[in-house]
Amino acid sequence: DGGITQSPKYLFRKEGQNVTLSCEQNLNHDAMYWYRQDPGQGLRLIYYSQIVNDFQKGDIAEGYSVSREKKESFPLTVTSAQKNPTAFYLCASSRVDTPNYGYTFGSGTRLTVV
Amino acid sequence: AQSVAQPEDQVNVAEGNPLTVKCTYSVSGNPYLFWYVQYPNRGLQFLLKYITGDNLVKGSYGFEAEFNKSQTSFHLKKPSALVSDSALYFCAVRRLSGNTGKLIFGQGTTLQVKP
Repeated sequence: DGGITQSPKYLFRKEGQNVTLSCEQNLNHDAMYWYRQDPGQGLRLIYYSQIVNDFQKGDIAEGYSVSREKKESFPLTVTSAQKNPTAFYLCASSRVDTPNYGYTFGSGTRLTVV
Repeated sequence: AQSVAQPEDQVNVAEGNPLTVKCTYSVSGNPYLFWYVQYPNRGLQFLLKYITGDNLVKGSYGFEAEFNKSQTSFHLKKPSALVSDSALYFCAVRRLSGNTGKLIFGQGTTLQVKP
């Protein structure tokens, strides 16, 4: 079955550490997105990519980095510069050839600073 | 600029009663509108969309939404609520601009259905 997989489901980070969240899709979608969600809050866009080897900052990119070396993969690194990284992180993907389709979301990664 | 507003942070309804979750949008040109649902600690799941045609759109789990162009609204409805409908609901809009643009999400509305 086609879908989008995020791993790990839960992640714990010590102060000052970088951590990388994985996002893989087998839907042949060109575009991929990373969102941050805080408790009871909406979605805030971190980074997005509409083609391999290209990506753009979203609304809250500071303290995060991404890469898009393969169409299927869009990993997110939470760096030590991100002062408050505890949150629920969601990855999504979509087609870019038609506006008729929405996003397909992964099941999320919950990151906690310990 | 595109925007989406969900004016209610929370909607409370008794099981068996009809429910409405409100969404209004602002976009130039024809809007593409979507509703998603999120259960605790899960990703968002697609419920329904409006692209063109009939203003009443039917989706998953018995939900439907009515597109009203004059009021720029796309309210989510269900004739009879279930306790299992309790979740966080997001409305989203897309404007066609060159290649496909990003979805703009509302802030979400928590639906609480009480037995």
